[in-house]
Amino acid sequence: GAGVSQTPSNKVTEKGKYVELRCDPISGHTALYWYRQSLGQGPEFLIYFQGTGAADDSGLPNDRFFAVRPEGSVSTLKIQRTERGDSAVYLCASSVGMYEQFFGPGTRLTVL
Amino acid sequence: SQQGEEDPQALSIQEGENATMNCSYKTSINNLQWYRQNSGRGLVHLILIRSNEREKHSGRLRVTLDTSKKSSSLLITASRAADTASYFCATDAGGNQFYFGTGTSLTVIP
Repeated sequence: GAGVSQTPSNKVTEKGKYVELRCDPISGHTALYWYRQSLGQGPEFLIYFQGTGAADDSGLPNDRFFAVRPEGSVSTLKIQRTERGDSAVYLCASSVGMYEQFFGPGTRLTVL
Repeated sequence: SQQGEEDPQALSIQEGENATMNCSYKTSINNLQWYRQNSGRGLVHLILIRSNEREKHSGRLRVTLDTSKKSSSLLITASRAADTASYFCATDAGGNQFYFGTGTSLTVIP
């Protein structure tokens, strides 16, 4: 079966632009997580969805970041007015409950 | 900030040797998980140990958990070149967040 997929795999944008990153979780997984990973660091929690609702968005660094999951499956992470410090790999993971998470390959975002 | 901290940051061993890496965390947890990340690829779940467990095995992996010391160790026995990767611990403190450590970079030399 298909794993978690993320698109695009790479995104290069200019400072101040808006970007959208997409995550397709494993079918049937109700929990979906977004993480951000900088070079040499572990994944940093951003937001958690249980179904359609954002159950915990306390990891979002500021109000330029927003994520949606309107139908309880695909999720989109949206970043407004991008800054160079937003450059990182954005990882998505899905799971059944609070146990093993299945990660996607990530989207490498570069803000010039 | 991340709750877990792994040590060593980097480890280099010969193929066939055992590799041990440690994870320390700050608050009480429900469970602790170990993940592997190969260069340029996503994370793969290795093993989960619950807070009421002290040791768990999976193939060549052995994980221990000491909740009194807030620490865990991952032992990989008879290492192989394919074990070369970064290893992360992740803790669940009962909320919705998983906290990942900074990782141990393991290099297994053939």
